[in-house]
Amino acid sequence: AQSVTQLGSHVSVSEGALVLLRCNYSSSVPPYLFWYVQYPNQGLQLLLKYTSAATLVKGINGFEAEFKKSETSFHLTKPSAHMSDAAEYFCAVSDPENTGNQFYFGTGTSLTVIP
Amino acid sequence: DAMVIQNPRYQVTQFGKPVTLSCSQTLNHNVMYWYQQKSSQAPKLLFHYYDKDFNNEADTPDNFQSRRPNTSFCFLDIRSPGLGDAAMYLCATSRVKRPREQYFGPGTRLTVT
Repeated sequence: AQSVTQLGSHVSVSEGALVLLRCNYSSSVPPYLFWYVQYPNQGLQLLLKYTSAATLVKGINGFEAEFKKSETSFHLTKPSAHMSDAAEYFCAVSDPENTGNQFYFGTGTSLTVIP
Repeated sequence: DAMVIQNPRYQVTQFGKPVTLSCSQTLNHNVMYWYQQKSSQAPKLLFHYYDKDFNNEADTPDNFQSRRPNTSFCFLDIRSPGLGDAAMYLCATSRVKRPREQYFGPGTRLTVT
């Protein structure tokens, strides 16, 4: 079965500082991996996805993530935090070999940006 | 722009009074999903449709039903809402072709009084 673990339910960074949100997955095969962002009272917006092509994936709003098979990780980074980045971030995984449509979400990380 | 639309954005219902939430999409995706999300939690899948093929999650209460009359529309019916059903309800869509990334609507915030 697939699962994801997001280390740190709350992360605070200063405006302009590096953002690092951690995601580790558990899978018997290289999965598909996704990062979503959710602003208050909004739906989830897809930031980026990994589909076994390039291991460094660039997304919207200046975010990127690197797939590291040896570490079973897919951490999300942004070089310089902006106030508008304050939101909830979810990592998700799906199994390429699973015939179902199941996404497995992490428990989320709330990002606070300090001015 | 192609999108997922949910109406209403905010819904207040009384304890035990049936309520219907709606979702429509202009993405022409074959798969549609309904999630329940409670405060500070990840979305929890209730059910999904693969075209008209309905797939219920094992732990989805019988109180929750869904209808998909056509490709574009999907409804969530809560037959007898309880206080514990107060949550954000999210609709999402995806293609059938992998990786099946999901595209979400803005959600409906349900309050039960």
